[in-house]
Amino acid sequence: GNSVTQMEGPVTLSEEAFLTINCTYTATGYPSLFWYVQYPGEGLQLLLKATKADDKGSNKGFEATYRKETTSFHLEKGSVQVSDSAVYFCALSLQGAQKLVFGQGTRLTINP
Amino acid sequence: DTGVSQDPRHKITKRGQNVTFRCDPISEHNRLYWYRQTLGQGPEFLTYFQNEAQLEKSRLLSDRFSAERPKGSFSTLEIQRTEQGDSAMYLCASSPHFRDSSYNEQFFGPGTRLTVL
Repeated sequence: GNSVTQMEGPVTLSEEAFLTINCTYTATGYPSLFWYVQYPGEGLQLLLKATKADDKGSNKGFEATYRKETTSFHLEKGSVQVSDSAVYFCALSLQGAQKLVFGQGTRLTINP
Repeated sequence: DTGVSQDPRHKITKRGQNVTFRCDPISEHNRLYWYRQTLGQGPEFLTYFQNEAQLEKSRLLSDRFSAERPKGSFSTLEIQRTEQGDSAMYLCASSPHFRDSSYNEQFFGPGTRLTVL
């Protein structure tokens, strides 16, 4: 079946540290890949996406590259801020299927 | 644009009771989705509508669950004879539909948190 696996959290970092949150997927066909973020008390928001192999999605200093050979879509940021504290979800969507398949989420806490 | 809204935000009910949740999508979006999220897990797809037509239902959607979108605008999700295992956050999302796009961004509401005692 189609699934997404994220690194287990929670993750705690100091401000300005480098961030990596690992995400790997299993899919039949060629999925589109996404990172969603959920800030405290708010709904899920799309952070970035990539729709084909080798695409790089980026937004707000975050980046992720669609790696077909390793079936991965790891989220990175060079220098995190306290305001990045949130839960991050990796997700996929198969072409022609509108539903999203989510990973279990990774809670990130940034300390000043 | 006020975004996707859901009502109520919280619902506490006793086992065996029926509950109904409402979702109002972004006005120009013709696709509407329901997901369920349990504590510590990612959202799981339940069902989606294009306009008033329910096009896909997950196996998670047992016979006790029913969703409607009668006029292609707001949607309701009803759970009959609630069970403690139904306790979760129920999320609604909407998206536009463009034929020349293989994916259209889904915009999520804040969710309805259901607690079944």
